[in-house]
Amino acid sequence: GAVVSQHPSWVICKSGTSVKIECRSLDFQATTMFWYRQFPKQSLMLMATSNEGSKATYEQGVEKDKFLINHASLTLSTLTVTSAHPEDSSFYICSALKVGAWEQFFGPGTRLTVL
Amino acid sequence: GESVGLHLPTLSVQEGDNSIINCAYSNSASDYFIWYKQESGKGPQFIIDIRSNMDKRQGQRVTVLLNKTVKHLSLQIAATQPGDSAVYFCAERENAGNMLTFGGGTRLMVKP
Repeated sequence: GAVVSQHPSWVICKSGTSVKIECRSLDFQATTMFWYRQFPKQSLMLMATSNEGSKATYEQGVEKDKFLINHASLTLSTLTVTSAHPEDSSFYICSALKVGAWEQFFGPGTRLTVL
Repeated sequence: GESVGLHLPTLSVQEGDNSIINCAYSNSASDYFIWYKQESGKGPQFIIDIRSNMDKRQGQRVTVLLNKTVKHLSLQIAATQPGDSAVYFCAERENAGNMLTFGGGTRLMVKP
């Protein structure tokens, strides 16, 4: 149990376009999901905390208008990278906090490449 | 603590040897610590966790040690195997919060 999926697993887009990444908890409910970004050879950096039914909380330095987060249900959160630029190319990873548990369950990540 | 590595330190060990990966944290309010394993192109995989009221916890081939006095966490892997080759991250969670702060990571390379 406690499987988190992400879709797509990789995406290539042109500069200026928008890309949506989905994060789903497949067999549990998650009131809280987290979005991380990871550049090559670096650690995971928390971008935002997504709570079901409410606005996401963004970390300092993360533009909320550029990285739109929607957590419309207990099993789905989406991250939309708007007007993508090459510097947005990164590995985006989500995690889901199982209700009543301490552990975050991580998705497999989405590789975004902006040309 | 906020620890972001600009490059990953590497630990190279011989297959069958024991590995010790270290992590320093800075937030004395952290009450929960986790070790993750990340293979190339994949998300982090949970290895073992420990709460701040413990100083040692053992799993299958892995042991986590927590020294709160010096804010140090270590992961010991017994009889390291080629499949253990990956990047290992420690993460901490502050008391009463849910967000995790990740350490910089260590790349473990296992030589056959």
